[in-house]
Amino acid sequence: KNQVEQSPQSLIILEGKNCTLQCNYTVSPFSNLRWYKQDTGRGPVSLTIMTFSENTKSNGRYTATLDADTKQSSLHITASQLSDSASYICVALSGGSYIPTFGRGTSLIVHP
Amino acid sequence: SQTIHQWPATLVQPVGSPLSLECTVEGTSNPNLYWYRQAAGRGLQLLFYSVGIGQISSEVPQNLSASRPQDRQFILSSKKLLLSDSGFYLCAWSLGGLSGDEQYFGPGTRLTVT
Repeated sequence: KNQVEQSPQSLIILEGKNCTLQCNYTVSPFSNLRWYKQDTGRGPVSLTIMTFSENTKSNGRYTATLDADTKQSSLHITASQLSDSASYICVALSGGSYIPTFGRGTSLIVHP
Repeated sequence: SQTIHQWPATLVQPVGSPLSLECTVEGTSNPNLYWYRQAAGRGLQLLFYSVGIGQISSEVPQNLSASRPQDRQFILSSKKLLLSDSGFYLCAWSLGGLSGDEQYFGPGTRLTVT
């Protein structure tokens, strides 16, 4: 069964600090992995998308890494801002499928 | 550029009443379309997806149904709402085929069943 597990479930940090969110996936055959940011009451917005051959991908202050051997991904946020407060969702897609597997998300709160 | 619309933005309905949520996509042809539900504090749950007009696949048994009357229109319906139908409903689209392209989400509809 395809699964995506995210940790921590929630995280509180101070503005300006860095943080790392984790994602473990069991998806076969693996096609790609994406990180989304979802502001409260809004639809998710894509941050990064990586295939199995990509180890790192950056989008501004967001850097995602992928280890296809251990089936782990992380999202690193540098110099956090108040606007980073949101839910971050890890999504894995298997080859030949229309249906992605979603993690439950990590709720990030950035305090001033 | 492509855009996705959902309406209404919020909805409060009594138990047993019907439901119709609409989603439309602009700027692309033959997209894959998806309906998701997100309960409070929970992850996204795929309800239906469609790869073409009139083609609907259901992922979760429930009292909801979906239809795709036009290429870029996706409708979520219910004849009689349950309290458990409350949640945040999201429509999404992706490029057609099994390309694994990312999904683009609409703004969502907050449904409260009272």
